[in-house]
Amino acid sequence: DAGITQSPRYKITETGRQVTLMCHQTWSHSYMFWYRQDLGHGLRLIYYSAAADITDKGEVPDGYVVSRSKTENFPLTLESATRSQTSVYFCASSAAGASEQFFGPGTRLTVL
Amino acid sequence: SQQGEEDPQALSIQEGENATMNCSYKTSINNLQWYRQNSGRGLVHLILIRSNEREKHSGRLRVTLDTSKKSSSLLITASRAADTASYFCAHRVYNDYKLSFGAGTTVTVRA
Repeated sequence: DAGITQSPRYKITETGRQVTLMCHQTWSHSYMFWYRQDLGHGLRLIYYSAAADITDKGEVPDGYVVSRSKTENFPLTLESATRSQTSVYFCASSAAGASEQFFGPGTRLTVL
Repeated sequence: SQQGEEDPQALSIQEGENATMNCSYKTSINNLQWYRQNSGRGLVHLILIRSNEREKHSGRLRVTLDTSKKSSSLLITASRAADTASYFCAHRVYNDYKLSFGAGTTVTVRA
């Protein structure tokens, strides 16, 4: 089915573990984004990417790593999860030259 | 942070009434967008207004932009229960493709 998907939708992990959140889009959009959403903070940008192999830090990148070897995939890795990374994570994409972003359904991550 | 601010934080109205929410930002912008988020879901784009536009309509939505005051408003007319959601403004600056989001306004439409 076309669109932008995220997996897993829910994840519980422990402090110190590595976690990877997956994002896949079928539109061949150039731009992809990772946000975290926390009460009182709205959406904060973690990392973004303009194309395969091009990534940049957003507002809150510490503790996260991204890669983009293929246009359609943009995984986000928490190298050593901390409780402060408990959040809802959203992936989004947009086409080159367009401003509108399309969002995935989100991944709710709990770090115990 | 370049995030905008929205007010009110929460709004409760009766079905059929209008809902108005406001957004402010701090920089010069290329455009400003509004998104809706239903509970437990991702954000959905509603409307985009460019910096050289002052007003835009889409169905029951009306967006205004005042670049001199660095503010925007979203009006939802004749609200329905299905309009219950959180609404976020997001702005894009020139020569950048990132968006900066506000904290959102939670709208509850009572039947």
